[in-house]
Amino acid sequence: QQQVKQSPQSLIVQKGGISIINCAYENTAFDYFPWYQQFPGKGPALLIAIRPDVSEKKEGRFTISFNKSAKQFSLHIMDSQPGDSATYFCAATVSGGYQKVTFGTGTKLQVIP
Amino acid sequence: EAQVTQNPRYLITVTGKKLTVTCSQNMNHEYMSWYRQDPGLGLRQIYYSMNVEVTDKGDVPEGYKVSRKEKRNFPLILESPSPNQTSLYFCASSSIPGRTDTQYFGPGTRLTVL
Repeated sequence: QQQVKQSPQSLIVQKGGISIINCAYENTAFDYFPWYQQFPGKGPALLIAIRPDVSEKKEGRFTISFNKSAKQFSLHIMDSQPGDSATYFCAATVSGGYQKVTFGTGTKLQVIP
Repeated sequence: EAQVTQNPRYLITVTGKKLTVTCSQNMNHEYMSWYRQDPGLGLRQIYYSMNVEVTDKGDVPEGYKVSRKEKRNFPLILESPSPNQTSLYFCASSSIPGRTDTQYFGPGTRLTVL
């Protein structure tokens, strides 16, 4: 059962454009939503994360938007650069005690010059 | 340098031949975990460990074993590998059990089972 649905599977964006990746979750107990960035041949690395008590979090060119009522959250990459080309995973987990992390299926982003 | 290391990075083996993938972290983390990554399926957790001698199953534990005899090491054991275990494997560690914002991933081990 896929508890975190991610789309699109792949994305091509021109340099300078906005990349948008969407995720939807089912488990209302989730209360921590991280995004991971993975370059080829590397392990995932935490990019940015949000808790549902805020609707938006921004770090540099990366912004997470969160819609608690719709159980959706998205990653926006502003002014996308070729160096942003990577696979992005959304994830969700429950705070307190052991946190089992549920990952989305990933989005392969290619930013073309 | 703080890091999670895995060995080997690449492995080709045959069905039924026992193998071990090692994982080691130098950050004194309590929490360690193994994931497999498959196209279209994302990352799925195999096993995790909250501390020495404390391990538990993740989402896809069938066909795998783990042990945690030392804090820094968390090997993944495939006693009788099968082709459906061909995958990219990642080890991860965290300083606070379960806190994902401090989770560090290793570089991955690409396993092919013929």
